[in-house]
Amino acid sequence: KAGVTQTPRYLIKTRGQQVTLSCSPISGHRSVSWYQQTPGQGLQFLFEYFSETQRNKGNFPGRFSGRQFSNSRSEMNVSTLELGDSALYLCASSRRVGGQRQSEKLFFGSGTQLSVL
Amino acid sequence: DAKTTQPPSMDCAEGRAANLPCNHSTISGNEYVYWYRQIHSQGPQYIIHGLKNNETNEMASLIITEDRKSSTLILPHATLRDTAVYYCIVRVAALTSGSRLTFGEGTQLTVNP
Repeated sequence: KAGVTQTPRYLIKTRGQQVTLSCSPISGHRSVSWYQQTPGQGLQFLFEYFSETQRNKGNFPGRFSGRQFSNSRSEMNVSTLELGDSALYLCASSRRVGGQRQSEKLFFGSGTQLSVL
Repeated sequence: DAKTTQPPSMDCAEGRAANLPCNHSTISGNEYVYWYRQIHSQGPQYIIHGLKNNETNEMASLIITEDRKSSTLILPHATLRDTAVYYCIVRVAALTSGSRLTFGEGTQLTVNP
């Protein structure tokens, strides 16, 4: 079974631009979440999508947004890029079934390394 | 989610068991203990999780103390490829917290030849 696929792997942008990152979850996984990883702040939760709806959101400004499509693929967008947005952006998918209390495993992609110049 | 405390770094000889400790003294009764690891430049990888019983899978064993205030991840025969940052995470089941994991700083495990 193919793993979580993130594209592109590397991206270079300049301040003020916007960027869209893509994530394809494992087949059959309906939940997709996004994380930002920086050397200073570590791994931080951005948001989660399930059945095309945002279910959970971290403490990030409104410049960070996302969406999920009917095939569970997800995109995240960062507008008006700042130097501090340089980070590894990780996507994770899981088989979470809505309405069920259960433990779950997250499967992460290799990430998109974004550099803002 | 309960806070966890891990040593910042540990060393282990190749072929020996690596025992990674984690303290979670404020854990609640409905919170699970998860372990993930992150090899440089890759996304985190799920290792194992448990609620109160010890667990074992093909990658590792998880030992949770009876009072659930601490746990130990055991890699029985560490290899060079096990060199990674290991994260211990405590969280409630998915219904309320979804996929939101709170990562701490983790333990940098270095396996030496």
